[in-house]
Amino acid sequence: EIVLTQSPGTLSLSPGERATLSCRASQSVSSSYLAWYQQKPGQAPRLLIYGASSRATGIPDRFSGSGSGTDFTLTISRLEPEDFAVYYCQQYGSSPETFGQGTKVEIK
Amino acid sequence: QVQLQESGPGLVKPSETLSLTCTVSGYSISSGYYWGWIRQPPGKGLEWIGSIYHSGSTYYNPSLKSRVTISVDTSKNQFSLKLSSVTAADTAVYYCARDPGDAMVPLPFDYWGQGTLVTVSS
Repeated sequence: EIVLTQSPGTLSLSPGERATLSCRASQSVSSSYLAWYQQKPGQAPRLLIYGASSRATGIPDRFSGSGSGTDFTLTISRLEPEDFAVYYCQQYGSSPETFGQGTKVEIK
Repeated sequence: QVQLQESGPGLVKPSETLSLTCTVSGYSISSGYYWGWIRQPPGKGLEWIGSIYHSGSTYYNPSLKSRVTISVDTSKNQFSLKLSSVTAADTAVYYCARDPGDAMVPLPFDYWGQGTLVTVSS
């Protein structure tokens, strides 16, 4: 099983700032089958990024993903008020599919 | 617009079987794709439970495999989850979701239900 470790656990930033979230895998994620989701309280996760760097339909271009192998990054270029949420990475190339423990982006 | 909706009891007794159904609208399950279940204990992260292909092939998380059954009813455009011998550790919000990938090109879950809280308690 591939274990995904996200850091930091909490990121305290102000609107307009840049957010950089990390996801590290315990072994190489095949073909960069790595996704990022956003989850707000009481809501289901929302797919942001798939294939490590491809934005899902309707996702603003301030969200970008990068990385390969075992190290992946989600960057939010300029935080909007609606971006404060919890973010999860997921690898879906190896069974069982696994998720990171999440990074909370909170208002500073 | 694809929509998924979970339904089932919100309270299950320890040692009994948790049963949930996901009703899909806006897309015919028989047309393809995988359909999965994911759960999230209160205040914690996400755990993939298992998925079923439209043809009926199933894939389960090894950590739950001995207790999980996922089935599909294409005539009702639904798929279902059964989790046996539940304990308090199975208390979670349970989500159903669509996985538009296939064996050649895996993809992540793109459409999710709103989730349903299932509490295991006597």
